[in-house]
Amino acid sequence: ETGVTQTPRHLVMGMTNKKSLKCEQHLGHNAMYWYKQSAKKPLELMFVYSLEERVENNSVPSRFSPECPNSSHLFLHLHTLQPEDSALYLCASSQLYTGGGSYNEQFFGPGTRLTVL
Amino acid sequence: GENVEQHPSTLSVQEGDSAVIKCTYSDSASNYFPWYKQELGKGPQLIIDIRSNVGEKKDQRIAVTLNKTAKHFSLHITETQPEDSAVYFCAAINSGGYQKVTFGTGTKLQVIP
Repeated sequence: ETGVTQTPRHLVMGMTNKKSLKCEQHLGHNAMYWYKQSAKKPLELMFVYSLEERVENNSVPSRFSPECPNSSHLFLHLHTLQPEDSALYLCASSQLYTGGGSYNEQFFGPGTRLTVL
Repeated sequence: GENVEQHPSTLSVQEGDSAVIKCTYSDSASNYFPWYKQELGKGPQLIIDIRSNVGEKKDQRIAVTLNKTAKHFSLHITETQPEDSAVYFCAAINSGGYQKVTFGTGTKLQVIP
């Protein structure tokens, strides 16, 4: 196990539903990330939180709303999604977000497989 | 921004043979190149990495090579085993300032017993 857990592991929702994805890290890290993984595409960075402050929002539609209540927990709130939002959503954490010349390894959770009907 | 291309997208090898996955990057400022392995039902996990001031790095059956001039790097797996079957991702990072990780599109490796 990587020390990063995600729930639920699978989620099926209709376009009008509201649901939330949860991520928890047990590594004492200060940065947390949401990625979207679609078939045959590179991992797409969605959001980054560093010390509970959002520092990256890569042009993600407003139907995805992140929340980071503390350095150990990260949520992704979903509402009025589209079928093209179906994908594997990965959470990751790292010690820090800034590099300072060295790489802060990102540890990934197992992901939530989301299907939008 | 950085662009990482990865080939092949799928690779099948017989158990015991070697497997090679290649990546190219575009940003000469990238200075760190990790490789991730993603097994079915799991998230990506770092398996080996290389810094821009090193040409080759080995860890048991896996090795990574880097050609900075040509902007390409490769993952080599020798004596492949069925448990090596997974999707492998390369990535390129500029570790100064805020880290932007650019991933390749992944290679699905199948090791046939």
